[in-house]
Amino acid sequence: GQSLEQPSEVTAVEGAIVQINCTYQTSGFYGLSWYQQHDGGAPTFLSYNALDGLEETGRFSSFLSRSDSYGYLLLQELQMKDSASYFCAVRSGGSQGNLIFGKGTKLSVKP
Amino acid sequence: ETGVTQTPRHLVMGMTNKKSLKCEQHLGHNAMYWYKQSAKKPLELMFVYNFKEQTENNSVPSRFSPECPNSSHLFLHLHTLQPEDSALYLCASSQKQRATDTQYFGPGTRLTVL
Repeated sequence: GQSLEQPSEVTAVEGAIVQINCTYQTSGFYGLSWYQQHDGGAPTFLSYNALDGLEETGRFSSFLSRSDSYGYLLLQELQMKDSASYFCAVRSGGSQGNLIFGKGTKLSVKP
Repeated sequence: ETGVTQTPRHLVMGMTNKKSLKCEQHLGHNAMYWYKQSAKKPLELMFVYNFKEQTENNSVPSRFSPECPNSSHLFLHLHTLQPEDSALYLCASSQKQRATDTQYFGPGTRLTVL
């Protein structure tokens, strides 16, 4: 079957760095994505990794290791507005496959 | 504003009611989706429409009936729902051929079934 595992909650302070891990089990892997969702809001796309390595977009970076079926989202210089839920998602089944989402990690940033 | 709108934003209905959720995307995408989001559960993909054709139905009970009249509009018709169907229902769209298949979500409809 297909499954994704990520921590349910993470707490950090402003200015710190936090890493949210995601391990996945899927067939026909076609990339790992990350989405952010603020309370009461809709999920919004953050990043996508198809190949091994680190992708950097401003304060956020995402890493993928296909051999380990593992990825992480790295948030640097945390700000209060980063408090949200973060979902990893894998696309399986080839180019027409759909996204399967993890349960989400609720990040709380404290002053 | 993601270019995907949903109405209504909130809906309270009894178990014997019939209601419909509406979604519209202004992004020119070719695929549209219905997701269910419940507390403590992952986003559950319910239905997928690719070029107006339904390509996925993830064992969703028949009391949920989707309709996609064109590539910009998607409906979810509800009837004889159960209290456990109370959740946030999210519509999304994407351009299916792109590798990322980035989902653009609407704000959702918060559904409460009494």
